[in-house]
Amino acid sequence: DARVTQTPRHKVTEMGQEVTMRCQPILGHNTVFWYRQTMMQGLELLAYFRNRAPLDDSGMPKDRFSAEMPDATLATLKIQPSEPRDSAVYFCASGLGTGFLVEQFFGPGTRLTVL
Amino acid sequence: AQSVTQLDSHVSVSEGTPVLLRCNYSSSYSPSLFWYVQHPNKGLQLLLKYTSAATLVKGINGFEAEFKKSETSFHLTKPSAHMSDAAEYFCVVSDHTGGFKTIFGAGTRLFVKA
Repeated sequence: DARVTQTPRHKVTEMGQEVTMRCQPILGHNTVFWYRQTMMQGLELLAYFRNRAPLDDSGMPKDRFSAEMPDATLATLKIQPSEPRDSAVYFCASGLGTGFLVEQFFGPGTRLTVL
Repeated sequence: AQSVTQLDSHVSVSEGTPVLLRCNYSSSYSPSLFWYVQHPNKGLQLLLKYTSAATLVKGINGFEAEFKKSETSFHLTKPSAHMSDAAEYFCVVSDHTGGFKTIFGAGTRLFVKA
């Protein structure tokens, strides 16, 4: 049963520390999405990649956030330095397709708490 | 610009009664529309999707949705609620406005009473 995996599942860190979240998309999927979910803002699309190339990261604060796909089996989302307002659940999703007709398969999320 | 509005933040039904979760959208182009479900402390799971084929879309777990262009709606329904349907439901619109954009609604939390 293929599924998206995310590590770590939970992360507690102190303000100013670097945080790296990892995502393994479903094998063969060519599109990867990063979302952030908070009570106040709901689900926000941070960035997405197709065939490992970043296509849109306009939802991501550029000064502290960065997203990469070093290879087809790994996507990373990094926050440096982290701030308390970054506390949220971060979801990765992967899909197969072109354009916007992509069914997204979500990972279980990384719950980040920044103290 | 595209947007999606879920008209109810909370819906409460009794087990065995029908479910209606309302969603209205706006889109400059022919959109794709999705419904996702999120159970507590879980990721999101696709229930169903509309991609300009049949306007009545059937999904998993007995859910279905009807795309009504004239009303710009994509309401989610189920004839008979089950306790396991209690979750949060998200309506999603995607189109090519300014490049790929996908917008999630604020979510509707469904409560099912025994």
